[in-house]
Amino acid sequence: KNEVEQSPQNLTAQEGEFITINCSYSVGISALHWLQQHPGGGIVSLFMLSSGKKKHGRLIATINIQEKHSSLHITASHPRDSAVYICAVSRTGNQFYFGTGTSLTVIP
Amino acid sequence: DAGITQSPRHKVTETGTPVTLRCHQTENHRYMYWYRQDPGHGLRLIHYSYGVKDTDKGEVSDGYSVSRSKTEDFLLTLESATSSQTSVYFCAISELRRYTEAFFGQGTRLTVV
Repeated sequence: KNEVEQSPQNLTAQEGEFITINCSYSVGISALHWLQQHPGGGIVSLFMLSSGKKKHGRLIATINIQEKHSSLHITASHPRDSAVYICAVSRTGNQFYFGTGTSLTVIP
Repeated sequence: DAGITQSPRHKVTETGTPVTLRCHQTENHRYMYWYRQDPGHGLRLIHYSYGVKDTDKGEVSDGYSVSRSKTEDFLLTLESATSSQTSVYFCAISELRRYTEAFFGQGTRLTVV
């Protein structure tokens, strides 16, 4: 069983749609991370959360510590948002666990 | 962007040959990691280092070895490459703090033929 589960695995949306990607985890964490990977590209950090909610531009990330669940929302989606979004958790001792990623395609 | 450089970025090698991938950081972070990324598996930890000459195995360490002789460099060696080691390899770094974040290199695409 994976410590971090994401859904959906694949997502196709029309430009302008509101998008939600979900992440559940089963271990105690110090923080949760949302990462973005464009095709053939490197991995960049979007958010690091230990509680509550963070917003950056059209991206919003929330976390519910009690339910061990996080969501990444994209408002007014755009084709340049097409990427793989990876949920990860960090634990004490600098351990990281990663979900398998959600592949998002936004169609113009 | 965090100063992490992986080399080479692409490599094609033959089965049975040794291969070394290099990760170089300029951030002076204590922890360095090697992951492999395969479809359907996400990022899986191969080895990690928590200091110079201090390394430990991850979940998929068989067939790989690592060395860290100085803070800034972490080498991953495939002693005798196999086709199952065809993958994209990512180096990452992090610092020891309460809310720690991992920073990734650009990845190395390795093909073993």
